[in-house]
Amino acid sequence: DAGVIQSPRHEVTEMGQEVTLRCKPISGHNSLFWYRQTMMRGLELLIYFNNNVPIDDSGMPEDRFSAKMPNASFSTLKIQPSEPRDSAVYFCASSLGRSGNEKLFFGSGTQLSVL
Amino acid sequence: SQQGEEDPQALSIQEGENATMNCSYKTSINNLQWYRQNSGRGLVHLILIRSNEREKHSGRLRVTLDTSKKSSSLLITASRAADTASYFCAKNSGGYQKVTFGIGTKLQVIP
Repeated sequence: DAGVIQSPRHEVTEMGQEVTLRCKPISGHNSLFWYRQTMMRGLELLIYFNNNVPIDDSGMPEDRFSAKMPNASFSTLKIQPSEPRDSAVYFCASSLGRSGNEKLFFGSGTQLSVL
Repeated sequence: SQQGEEDPQALSIQEGENATMNCSYKTSINNLQWYRQNSGRGLVHLILIRSNEREKHSGRLRVTLDTSKKSSSLLITASRAADTASYFCAKNSGGYQKVTFGIGTKLQVIP
């Protein structure tokens, strides 16, 4: 298995532009997580899905952020419009999501820079 | 951080020494997990300890959990330069496996 695949690896955009981050979880995994990592705030859970359904989006910072999981093999995190303070590394992770006692597998992350 | 505070935030030791990192949390958990992150990479799972367990071992890693104190510790014995990384504890709570992380401990092992 290729693991959790995120794209792009790096994204540089200008303030006000729309940004879409993509994630392909490990096949057979039922839970998918989006995290944001910054030096100041560490790893923040933004949203997580179970069986393609958003379970908890309380970590999504503002209405400018939205996430979708149209099927079991694909998820997107969209920022519209983007702002410089959105600059961070965004990680996607997946897990089996059956017993609740399972480890997370992380992608390599997307380094987002908003100028 | 959303949940889980690691202590210390940075640790520098000589190769061969033991490294101990601590984690505290605020609310009840299903389990607590430890992860490692090398610079510029994603996190990698190290060990999971369930709320009804007190101690767990994996190779050179030893994790303890004290639910009465809401704290956990990760011990790396006989450290190696390759252990240099950031280490995070993650609390698993909520009905559908809500996993939240602390700020992390940055470990440097000097050869």
